[in-house]
Amino acid sequence: RKEVEQDPGPFNVPEGATVAFNCTYSNSASQSFFWYRQDCRKEPKLLMSVYSSGNEDGRFTAQLNRASQYISLLIRDSKLSDSATYLCVVNSGGSYIPTFGRGTSLIVHP
Amino acid sequence: ETGVTQSPTHLIKTRGQQVTLRCSSQSGHNTVSWYQQALGQGPQFIFQYYREEENGRGNFPPRFSGLQFPNYSSELNVNALELDDSALYLCASSAGAGGPLGETQYFGPGTRLLVL
Repeated sequence: RKEVEQDPGPFNVPEGATVAFNCTYSNSASQSFFWYRQDCRKEPKLLMSVYSSGNEDGRFTAQLNRASQYISLLIRDSKLSDSATYLCVVNSGGSYIPTFGRGTSLIVHP
Repeated sequence: ETGVTQSPTHLIKTRGQQVTLRCSSQSGHNTVSWYQQALGQGPQFIFQYYREEENGRGNFPPRFSGLQFPNYSSELNVNALELDDSALYLCASSAGAGGPLGETQYFGPGTRLLVL
């Protein structure tokens, strides 16, 4: 089993739709969790951190489920500009070695 | 723009050659991490440098080595290139002590390496 797994998609949704991605991780000692966004042929950019209590930033909501070992990203009212690959990142233990998932591709169409 | 720059932007090498990639961190950042991103995959952590010392290493062989300079810029060196080394190489800088995810990472645009 891979350390961090994501459904590669693509998720193809119309503008205005709500879409959710999950990311599962295998190491129960994982401590830090993040979502990054990567546009085609560009570098990753931090979208948001994921806290135990969950967090929200505008149309984006991230949640952590430690019992089931997954994090989620919910995007409401999708925009064309949300089309990108969404990467989850898990930092396991005290070694600070971040593990990226392979990313989930989102395509928002008119 | 993040203020993190990388050079060169593209590079073509042949098997067995050696390559050096360079990264200038964002002003005020003392930590640089290097990643390898193969096509269709997420970035894989190679190693991190904090104040000129290696501060963590991923599952990469010793032919991947690095340096960080007093101005916190960094180099990634790869010896004895293999075809599978073809990838996008990203560096990311961050402020603060250790732990690449203890602070927000800012990625550079990457160097695309093709090994023939």
